[in-house]
Amino acid sequence: DAKTTQPTSMDCAEGRAANLPCNHSTISGNEYVYWYRQIHSQGPQYIIHGLKNNETNEMASLIITEDRKSSTLILPHATLRDTAVYYCIAISGSARQLTFGSGTQLTVLP
Amino acid sequence: DARVTQTPRHKVTEMGQEVTMRCQPILGHNTVFWYRQTMMQGLELLAYFRNRAPLDDSGMPKDRFSAEMPDATLATLKIQPSEPRDSAVYFCASAPLGRGFGDTQYFGPGTRLTVL
Repeated sequence: DAKTTQPTSMDCAEGRAANLPCNHSTISGNEYVYWYRQIHSQGPQYIIHGLKNNETNEMASLIITEDRKSSTLILPHATLRDTAVYYCIAISGSARQLTFGSGTQLTVLP
Repeated sequence: DARVTQTPRHKVTEMGQEVTMRCQPILGHNTVFWYRQTMMQGLELLAYFRNRAPLDDSGMPKDRFSAEMPDATLATLKIQPSEPRDSAVYFCASAPLGRGFGDTQYFGPGTRLTVL
């Protein structure tokens, strides 16, 4: 699976959009981009995934660049409950492991 | 809102005791994963099942850990005998499409195990 690179930490004001970047320059054509998050003391939570097209669901939007070398997770109106570690993962259907890297610690400030 | 459930949520036991953790996957999901998370090692895969058959348990210490799926609604992870180094949070996850790790995984709340 392609290596992903994320900033270690980010802050966002409550009510504002949180834009979390992820670089995956070695991603291959059959690898999806997945985003999970883990709120302190809880299990990881699936947020969204995509292959080539931008995706939106009730939690977030995922913007994937045309060359697929990077993506951005957008939480349109961040709340205090969105404070968590966010993980970007590039993974294919034939993967043998789901590996969470270091992720981005997002802190939503009041 | 379908969720993966795990019991117990917390378990404190003494070294040498048997520990059994249970997981109820989301109804209709055919793949179940067991993970362990510690501060030092992060999230580690212990085992996973598809259609109740074990596909990979190479992450488990075989002499003390065992994982089973007696039926489609129950997965169990047993440690016998438990050791202090087993202290961790154990997560169960289920996935719907049989695509293995490339499938969306839905995690339970975890069992926090402390072995004294």
